[in-house]
Amino acid sequence: QQQVKQSPQSLIVQKGGISIINCAYENTAFDYFPWYQQFPGKGPALLIAIRPDVSEKKEGRFTISFNKSAKQFSLHIMDSQPGDSATYFCAASSTSNTGKLIFGQGTTLQVKP
Amino acid sequence: NAGVMQNPRHLVRRRGQEARLRCSPMKGHSHVYWYRQLPEEGLKFMVYLQKENIIDESGMPKERFSAEFPKEGPSILRIQQVVRGDSAAYFCASSLSTSYEQYFGPGTRLTVT
Repeated sequence: QQQVKQSPQSLIVQKGGISIINCAYENTAFDYFPWYQQFPGKGPALLIAIRPDVSEKKEGRFTISFNKSAKQFSLHIMDSQPGDSATYFCAASSTSNTGKLIFGQGTTLQVKP
Repeated sequence: NAGVMQNPRHLVRRRGQEARLRCSPMKGHSHVYWYRQLPEEGLKFMVYLQKENIIDESGMPKERFSAEFPKEGPSILRIQQVVRGDSAAYFCASSLSTSYEQYFGPGTRLTVT
């Protein structure tokens, strides 16, 4: 029940295309859903996050879509650029509990020029 | 405003030695989380601390691992009698509270030879 399942494991997109990464969770106590971007040899960097009171959040080229009834959320990267090539992790936590993040397995994105 | 700081960035230990990993949270943050990332895997929660208190250590191996966050100074993750399986990247993250974003440090890459 603590798992967060992420797909796909890897993704190749042409420059200018849309990258879509999906995550699903089981624990209904989760109420905070961030996405992190990680480059090789670096720490995860917070990209964008959503709470379940909204169904979508957009920041620049990055959008989170959230479906509470399906217990799914996704990251859309519009106009993907080679600089977006990185590993992306979704996560979930219960802010009324300890707030520890449960991470998905990660998606390696390659954006081809 | 400095971000989360971790040192050392790289640490090599022989089997049986001790490893000490340090984490200084962002200014004003009193909540610290430690995560471990094994090669080619996602991030796994280890322990959550507030100043002078361990709040949740459900992700910590029962033996050889310990953590502290003293009133003064950085949080420390200590691994005694390291084994090859401890080789991983260890990240700490800090937050204002369980309801707020977690910001990650650059990590300590531990190699056990």
